[in-house]
Amino acid sequence: QVQLQESGPGLVKPSETLSLTCTVSGGSISSHYWSWIRQPPGKGLEWIGYMYYSGSTNYNPSLKSRVTISVDTSKTQFSLKLNSVTAADTAVYYCAGETPTGGYSWLTWGQGTMVTVSS
Amino acid sequence: QSALTQPASVSGSPGQSITISCTGTSSDVGGYIYVSWYQQHPGKAPKLIIYDVSNRPSGVSTRFSGSKSGNTASLTISGLQAEDEADYYCSSYTSSTTVVFGGGTKLTVL
Repeated sequence: QVQLQESGPGLVKPSETLSLTCTVSGGSISSHYWSWIRQPPGKGLEWIGYMYYSGSTNYNPSLKSRVTISVDTSKTQFSLKLNSVTAADTAVYYCAGETPTGGYSWLTWGQGTMVTVSS
Repeated sequence: QSALTQPASVSGSPGQSITISCTGTSSDVGGYIYVSWYQQHPGKAPKLIIYDVSNRPSGVSTRFSGSKSGNTASLTISGLQAEDEADYYCSSYTSSTTVVFGGGTKLTVL
């Protein structure tokens, strides 16, 4: 079955760019949608954006000006870049894969990676 | 986009049934079948338990069921068990081709 694993720095300085990668194993990245979702400490889930394997993307309007999600099909990875970060971007970041039948529901999740924004 | 509205907390005794509501608008919950529910235990990644309003992924207990009426979706858990104590989130596709989550509901099994 498909498994996801996030990787990237756990500490990012304010105003810098947060960069995370999600590696897809046990299945093909060349189908359906893939998403990034985050959860600030003690708070709820926030959808960041999703991308189709072809590269088309859609982002949360509140983050759109700072977010880029891209795919590297040769490496079966997709990535998240969030620029000009502040303390408000401190959160657990999850990558997720869509349910095989579609429908913008997220069946497969990575374990999550905590990113702290601090100088 | 505004978050979907869920009650902050619900509780029930073992064996009972509880329902969690998720209220949106005609531009999200009311306009599409793409409503899903997630269960999250402390320190764990969310787990999909309902998709497309009322479908269960393979392996999810039949005690979990979903429905929708107008702009409000509902998750019902029957035969409450101690292991059901967790946070629950709803999610919906929107007319802006984005996804929005609810604020989450903490379920306490008394």
